[in-house]
Amino acid sequence: GAVVSQHPSWVICKSGTSVKIECRSLDFQATTMFWYRQFPKQSLMLMATSNEGSKATYEQGVEKDKFLINHASLTLSTLTVTSAHPEDSSFYICSADYSVFGTEAFFGQGTRLTVV
Amino acid sequence: AQTVTQSQPEMSVQEAETVTLSCTYDTSESNYYLFWYKQPPSRQMILVIRQEAYKQQNATENRFSVNFQKAAKSFSLKISDSQLGDTAMYFCAFMKLDSGYALNFGKGTSLLVTP
Repeated sequence: GAVVSQHPSWVICKSGTSVKIECRSLDFQATTMFWYRQFPKQSLMLMATSNEGSKATYEQGVEKDKFLINHASLTLSTLTVTSAHPEDSSFYICSADYSVFGTEAFFGQGTRLTVV
Repeated sequence: AQTVTQSQPEMSVQEAETVTLSCTYDTSESNYYLFWYKQPPSRQMILVIRQEAYKQQNATENRFSVNFQKAAKSFSLKISDSQLGDTAMYFCAFMKLDSGYALNFGKGTSLLVTP
């Protein structure tokens, strides 16, 4: 199947700093990737759609300047949490589409962000 | 906008028994996909089963099957012969055909399989 890898799996950062999360499609090219946020014991909420070579599309209520998304190649999308604060602590998951296997989104293993 | 409702926050079933997780959704779309995803403690999202809305036949994957009622907008998941490894969060998800592969998730059902 298609493999999506996220890095890092977990990160702790100080309040006010920025942290970058990478999402890579390892064995396929993904023109579109998606970023979700999951609070403890809650569902996944779509944050933004990342399109290779163009600006990301953000869901309503998601701060574009805080959550910077870059999809510079067909295998890599990055999410940068800028000026992180404790309320940004969450589990972030990316997914990528790969139509060869039918309509299915392939998920990375997620990144647990803790802001202290 | 689409909404997905899972009315059972937690469920428990004994090993080897059958359990059904419920899901309802609201949409004005006619073409869409529905999914059940499993999220074990590792938090890796795993596709359990997929249903295309245009197909009347209910999807089946080994011990997992769905009861898809399009008119009622209902999409329940039946797990037969439950195994301890089935313990996980289960999310029902909706995908519009023109949304790429963006998913709209329900709040999830925590399933515990007991010996």
